[in-house]
Amino acid sequence: DSGVTQTPKHLITATGQRVTLRCSPRSGDLSVYWYQQSLDQGLQFLIQYYNGEERAKGNILERFSAQQFPDLHSELNLSSLELGDSALYFCASSVDPTTGYGYTFGSGTRLTVV
Amino acid sequence: DAKTTQPNSMESNEEEPVHLPCNHSTISGTDYIHWYRQLPSQGPEYVIHGLTSNVNNRMASLAIAEDRKSSTLILHRATLRDAAVYYCILSWGSQGNLIFGKGTKLSVKP
Repeated sequence: DSGVTQTPKHLITATGQRVTLRCSPRSGDLSVYWYQQSLDQGLQFLIQYYNGEERAKGNILERFSAQQFPDLHSELNLSSLELGDSALYFCASSVDPTTGYGYTFGSGTRLTVV
Repeated sequence: DAKTTQPNSMESNEEEPVHLPCNHSTISGTDYIHWYRQLPSQGPEYVIHGLTSNVNNRMASLAIAEDRKSSTLILHRATLRDAAVYYCILSWGSQGNLIFGKGTKLSVKP
């Protein structure tokens, strides 16, 4: 157990639907990162939050949004889902948002869009 | 984004040392070099990081060239459990978000 908890582990949904992925960071970590991993694109950075505030944005689609709550857990919302959104979604957390040191990743949520 | 170049794949024999190379010719003075690995069906895990000097920890060693344009991750005795994709990543300035490349897929033969 890495200390980063992601739920659900698996999700199957239909095109056009909306889903919410949840991440609880490791205790003491204020920074949360979301990544998407598909077979053809590798690990793509989506977005970073630090202590409730958005800090950096990567290749996140407009149909996707995220937030970090006061208790530091984070949610990634994916809407108007397409077949191409099928992927593994990883959340990571870290203490220091200014370096790449010591990210801890969760075990991911596997999203299948049918 | 500062870029890294790694071989697509490498093979090793169990209990032998493994040297995983990474080229980063456009590295700047404030870029840290990070190594993460991703075991099959798992999220990536942190391995080691450094700035200028060589670094050792319980998992691996990181050798950084004097001009910092390349680095090598050293696994001293590969085990079957070390079979994974190894990513060499640069982070720069105050940006803590890591941009992963394609990495090197390491296979370990018994």
